[in-house]
Amino acid sequence: GAVVSQHPSRVICKSGTSVKIECRSLDFQATTMFWYRQFPKQSLMLMATSNEGSKATYEQGVEKDKFLINHASLTLSTLTVTSAHPEDSSFYICSASRAGGTDTQYFGPGTRLTVL
Amino acid sequence: EDKVVQSPLSLVVHEGDTVTLNCSYEVTNFRSLLWYKQEKKAPTFLFMLTSSGIEKKSGRLSSILDKKELSSILNITATQTGDSAIYLCAVDGADSWGKLQFGAGTQVVVTP
Repeated sequence: GAVVSQHPSRVICKSGTSVKIECRSLDFQATTMFWYRQFPKQSLMLMATSNEGSKATYEQGVEKDKFLINHASLTLSTLTVTSAHPEDSSFYICSASRAGGTDTQYFGPGTRLTVL
Repeated sequence: EDKVVQSPLSLVVHEGDTVTLNCSYEVTNFRSLLWYKQEKKAPTFLFMLTSSGIEKKSGRLSSILDKKELSSILNITATQTGDSAIYLCAVDGADSWGKLQFGAGTQVVVTP
C-alpha cells in the first residue's frame, strides 16, 4: 500500500511554455501533498505544501505565480510550471501523506523536467 | 533557521562492511527524524524516529536517535551492492506541520 505516482516521468519543453505535472496517491487518500525540487547531487528542497481543497503554502523564495499548485481531490495534486525557462530544469518530486503533520510521507517517482 | 547536516557526504565500502551514517540537526520544537534511501528516483522511507535511545531495526539496517546530542545514526551491516544509494535524513519540526527539512544526503557506494 501507499503508492504515489507521478506523470509524466520525463518531459522536455521549449522555453516559454507551461508544463503540468500530476501527483496521484493510488491506494490511499492524501490530505496533504508536498512538492519538492531536487537539483543534481543536491538534496530535496521543499517548494510548497498543499492541503486538499485549500490554497497551497509556498516556501520562501518560491514564486507562487510561476509554480501553480492545485490539490483538487484527496488523490490528486498538480504542479504547473508556467512560462518555463532553462533554469527551471530540475527533478520535481511529490509526496503524499494521509493526515499531514507527522504522518509518513510517501514519495512519487519524480518528474525530470528539461526546458530547452 | 532549521538545519540538517549529514556526514560523511560520500563513502565507498566493500561488500560485507558495516557503514555508519550520521545526521545532526537544529530545529525548533523537534517532532521526528526520518531516514530515506534514494536510488535513481524517489526516496523510499526507512525509519521514523521520535524517541531518544530506542533503536529501530529493519533487516540489516538500524537507526537510533539521540535527542540530547541532536543527532541520529543509521547503520547498515553486512553491506551489499544493492545498498548503494543516497541516504537522506530529514527532520520534522513542530512549527512546520509535516514540512521536512532534508540534509544533503550521504552517497554510499558498495563495491563487490
